[in-house]
Amino acid sequence: KQEVTQIPAALSVPEGENLVLNCSFTDSAIYNLQWFRQDPGKGLTSLLLIQSSQREQTSGRLNASLDKSSGRSTLYIAASQPGDSATYLCAVPDYGGSQGNLIFGKGTKLSVKP
Amino acid sequence: SQTIHQWPATLVQPVGSPLSLECTVEGTSNPNLYWYRQAAGRGLQLLFYSVGIGQISSEVPQNLSASRPQDRQFILSSKKLLLSDSGFYLCAWSEAALYTFGSGTRLTVV
Repeated sequence: KQEVTQIPAALSVPEGENLVLNCSFTDSAIYNLQWFRQDPGKGLTSLLLIQSSQREQTSGRLNASLDKSSGRSTLYIAASQPGDSATYLCAVPDYGGSQGNLIFGKGTKLSVKP
Repeated sequence: SQTIHQWPATLVQPVGSPLSLECTVEGTSNPNLYWYRQAAGRGLQLLFYSVGIGQISSEVPQNLSASRPQDRQFILSSKKLLLSDSGFYLCAWSEAALYTFGSGTRLTVV
C-alpha cells in the first residue's frame, strides 16, 4: 500500500532563506504528485502538480521536482517570506485503492521568522 | 471559473445530534467529488467519493453517510454524532488529476 512521508515535520527559518521540503513515497508507480499549502484552520490550496513524465514544475518562487525511481519529491522555496508560513502537504494518487483518492503525507509545518 | 463552496465554517454539536455538511461546486459538470477528514495529528483521510449523481463510495466504516442529490452538490450527514467525529472536514473535486479543496468545516462534538 502506498505510503507518503514528509520530512521534516516542522521547520523554522529566518526570512530570506532558501529551503527544501522533502516528500517520499513507497510505490514509484505514480502518474503524478501534487503539492498543497494549508494555512491554519483553512482548506488546501494547490501549489504544483507534477506529471510523472516531468521532472520539475515551477511557479514563482516555488520549484517542485520529482524523481520517481527513488520515490522522492522536493519542494524548493526561494527567498522565503513570513507569508510562506503554513503547512505544506504532498499527495500522490492511490491507484491501488479508491478511484481518484489521494494519499497525503502528514505535512511539514513551516514557520518563516521576520 | 470553477469554485467550491463549503459550509458552515465551524460547528459545535452535542453527542448524539444529527449532522449535515454541504458542498457545492460551480463552473464544472460531472465532477468527481470527495469528503476528507483531517483529525488532529493525523493525515487527511478519504471518507467518501462520488463519480456521479447518486453514486457514493465509502472508504471508512463509520456512522457518517454521504449523498449527491445533484451533479454539483455533495452532502455529508450523520444521524447521531460521536465524540470521535470531531475534526476538520474538507470537500474536494478533481478534474484531470488536479484537486481543488473547499475551505473546510471545523466540527467539534461535545
